[in-house]
Amino acid sequence: DGGITQSPKYLFRKEGQNVTLSCEQNLNHDAMYWYRQDPGQGLRLIYYSQIVNDFQKGDIAEGYSVSREKKESFPLTVTSAQKNPTAFYLCASSTSGGFNVEQFFGPGTRLTVL
Amino acid sequence: AQTVTQSQPEMSVQEAETVTLSCTYDTSESDYYLFWYKQPPSRQMILVIRQEAYKQQNATENRFSVNFQKAAKSFSLKISDSQLGDAAMYFCAYRSGTGAQKLVFGQGTRLTINP
Repeated sequence: DGGITQSPKYLFRKEGQNVTLSCEQNLNHDAMYWYRQDPGQGLRLIYYSQIVNDFQKGDIAEGYSVSREKKESFPLTVTSAQKNPTAFYLCASSTSGGFNVEQFFGPGTRLTVL
Repeated sequence: AQTVTQSQPEMSVQEAETVTLSCTYDTSESDYYLFWYKQPPSRQMILVIRQEAYKQQNATENRFSVNFQKAAKSFSLKISDSQLGDAAMYFCAYRSGTGAQKLVFGQGTRLTINP
């Protein structure tokens, strides 16, 4: 079945540690995105990539880093520089261009800083 | 920068009744798209309905329809014959018609269905 997988589902981190969230898609989509969701707020864009080996900062990129070495994969690293990393993280992907470009979302990763 | 505002943090409706969720947005662009996403307790984001800004006709998907008022920058979602499975967070989202296909989301409305 085609879709987006995120792992792990739950992640716990000690302060000062970097952690990497995985996002894989087998939909052959060119574009991939990372969003952060906090209680009482909508999703906010962290980073996005429209093509392999290229990515751009979103609205809240500080304290995060990404890579896009393969079309299928777009891992997100939450660094120790991120002041308040506890949140729900959603990965999405889409084809490129046009109106019928639905973003498909993964099931999310819940990150908690201890 | 574009912004999306959902002024109703919570709404409730009786099963089988109709409910309307509000959304307003701010943009200087003329070419854009609007979406409503549903996030049930599983937290999986599901696309409910979408609208092209240049289309005057309001989009409809079964029990879900929108009231798109371009001049007023309003994009409300109407759910008819509400069902228990409609209970979820609903997010309004904006996407520019040019450039990257990133979404700008509203804060969300939590919809409760009363049996």
